[in-house]
Amino acid sequence: AQRVTQPEKLLSVFKGAPVELKCNYSYSGSPELFWYVQYSRQRLQLLLRHISRESIKGFTADLNKGETSFHLKKPFAQEEDSAMYYCALRGSQGNLIFGKGTKLSVKP
Amino acid sequence: KAGVTQTPRYLIKTRGQQVTLSCSPISGHRSVSWYQQTPGQGLQFLFEYFSETQRNKGNFPGRFSGRQFSNSRSEMNVSTLELGDSALYLCASSWGGQGIGNTIYFGEGSWLTVV
Repeated sequence: AQRVTQPEKLLSVFKGAPVELKCNYSYSGSPELFWYVQYSRQRLQLLLRHISRESIKGFTADLNKGETSFHLKKPFAQEEDSAMYYCALRGSQGNLIFGKGTKLSVKP
Repeated sequence: KAGVTQTPRYLIKTRGQQVTLSCSPISGHRSVSWYQQTPGQGLQFLFEYFSETQRNKGNFPGRFSGRQFSNSRSEMNVSTLELGDSALYLCASSWGGQGIGNTIYFGEGSWLTVV
């Protein structure tokens, strides 16, 4: 089965604290994984993808095939990071399979 | 470059009616896919069109259909609307390849409320 699990519906942290948004996946073969972010009243936008190994807005994510995880991390959260975050897996037919999302709330 | 554009942004329909939603992909993109977003089920894939042909389909009833035109614009139609069809319908476009690196871009969505 191809599946993405985000165990936390809501994650609340204080500004300046580290953030880790969890994502686990189930996929046979080499997965292609993404993190999408949806700010309030804005469209879903790509934050980063594992093949790029880049850092966007201070966020990084490492693919761990042994643990089938792709957790999103940021060392120091900012208030503007408050948003819905979705982990997604490209399915075998090319479409994206999304997790249920985690709402990140960064308090001042 | 203009992003993915969806119309209408908001609409209210009555049970039993049908609805058509429209999507204009990013210029040069040949693949258009549709997703349904609800609080309970999250984001679920409906179908994908590439070069006017349905290439991929999710697990939705036949009431949900779509098409793509020669200019890559796409429409999706839902017939015999049910209350449970109330959702945000997202259109996404990409250049079309199914391999690694094919980034998918989303529109702002069409909010459908069925009463």
